[in-house]
Amino acid sequence: GAVVSQHPSWVICKSGTSVKIECRSLDFQATTMFWYRQFPKQSLMLMATSNEGSKATYEQGVEKDKFLINHASLTLSTLTVTSAHPEDSSFYICSATIAGGSYNEQFFGPGTRLTVL
Amino acid sequence: GENVEQHPSTLSVQEGDSAVIKCTYSDSASNYFPWYKQELGKRPQLIIDIRSNVGEKKDQRIAVTLNKTAKHFSLHITETQPEDSAVYFCAAWTGGFKTIFGAGTRLFVKA
Repeated sequence: GAVVSQHPSWVICKSGTSVKIECRSLDFQATTMFWYRQFPKQSLMLMATSNEGSKATYEQGVEKDKFLINHASLTLSTLTVTSAHPEDSSFYICSATIAGGSYNEQFFGPGTRLTVL
Repeated sequence: GENVEQHPSTLSVQEGDSAVIKCTYSDSASNYFPWYKQELGKRPQLIIDIRSNVGEKKDQRIAVTLNKTAKHFSLHITETQPEDSAVYFCAAWTGGFKTIFGAGTRLFVKA
């Protein structure tokens, strides 16, 4: 149980285009979903926290107009990288906590590798 | 602000030896401390966790200790094996209802 999927697993796009990444909880309802970015050989950096039906809370230094997060249901959150540039190339990972479960135990998706040319 | 420091950044041990990774956290409201193992290109995998009402927890070759007063927690791996080679991250769930990760430790276990 507690499986989180992400789609796509990898994507290559041209500079200036927008890319949408989906994060789904497959067998549970997610109270909260988190979006992280991980550059090569670095740690996971929290970008934003999203709760179903409300606006995402962004970490300091993360541009909310560039990284659009929509959490439309208890099983789906999406991250859209708008007008992507090469410096946005990174590994994007989402995680989710279970509604009614331990509020701080997170289940991670497999990640999405974004390459912007 | 909320911060987790992790040391060392790289650790090389001989197979069969023990490995210790140490972390400190800044937010005194932190109450949950997971440890993750991450292999290249994969998601972080939870290997052990500890809550603030416990000082020590063990699961086979892996143990974690927590000193709330000093805001320190450590991961201990005994009888290391080559398959233990990976990047390990400590993390702390903060009073701000989010997880802050340490910088990571790259563990090499030499056969």
